[in-house]
Amino acid sequence: AQSVTQPDIHITVSEGASLELRCNYSYGATPYLFWYVQSPGQGLQLLLKYFSGDTLVQGIKGFEAEFKRSQSSFNLRKPSVHWSDAAEYFCAVGPRSGAGSYQLTFGKGTKLSVIP
Amino acid sequence: GAGVSQSPSNKVTEKGKDVELRCDPISGHTALYWYRQSLGQGLEFLIYFQGNSAPDKSGLPSDRFSAERTGGSVSTLTIQRTQQEDSAVYLCASSSIAGGSTDTQYFGPGTRLTVL
Repeated sequence: AQSVTQPDIHITVSEGASLELRCNYSYGATPYLFWYVQSPGQGLQLLLKYFSGDTLVQGIKGFEAEFKRSQSSFNLRKPSVHWSDAAEYFCAVGPRSGAGSYQLTFGKGTKLSVIP
Repeated sequence: GAGVSQSPSNKVTEKGKDVELRCDPISGHTALYWYRQSLGQGLEFLIYFQGNSAPDKSGLPSDRFSAERTGGSVSTLTIQRTQQEDSAVYLCASSSIAGGSTDTQYFGPGTRLTVL
């Protein structure tokens, strides 16, 4: 069965510091990959997605993620964190085709705190 | 509307009562999804609607859960005889195309359900 692991439940960084959030997946074939962000009281917002092609994907708000097939990873990065980035981040995978291809599998999330 | 809306934002109920949660998708979106987000857990897929097709109910955790979508737009998730383990945030999402993994899902802010 497919699964998504976000090993860090909670990360705290100082404003201006770099950030890397880890995501590993277990899947039968290379899935589609997503990162979502959830601010308090808000719904999830898509940051970026990987379907194919360049393994370094640029997203909104200055985020990027790198797909590494050999490591089954899709880590999210940002070179300089802003206080407004404090939120919860979810990695998700989805099948490329077939029945139920709309069903995304989400990790449990990583909560990011930013120290001013 | 500008985004997916959900009501109520918060619902507190007593064990054994029935509750109805409402979702208004983005106008024109044909695909609609319900997810459940329990404390410390990722999002759990519940049900998927696509146009006039029969919904995919494979994620509903028990027969106490049901959902309908009227006129291809508004959806209602009903939980009968609520239990304390039903306490969670219920998220609705919609997407514009055929509901495959490549479609960006736009999420509402969620309904926080607390069963006492």
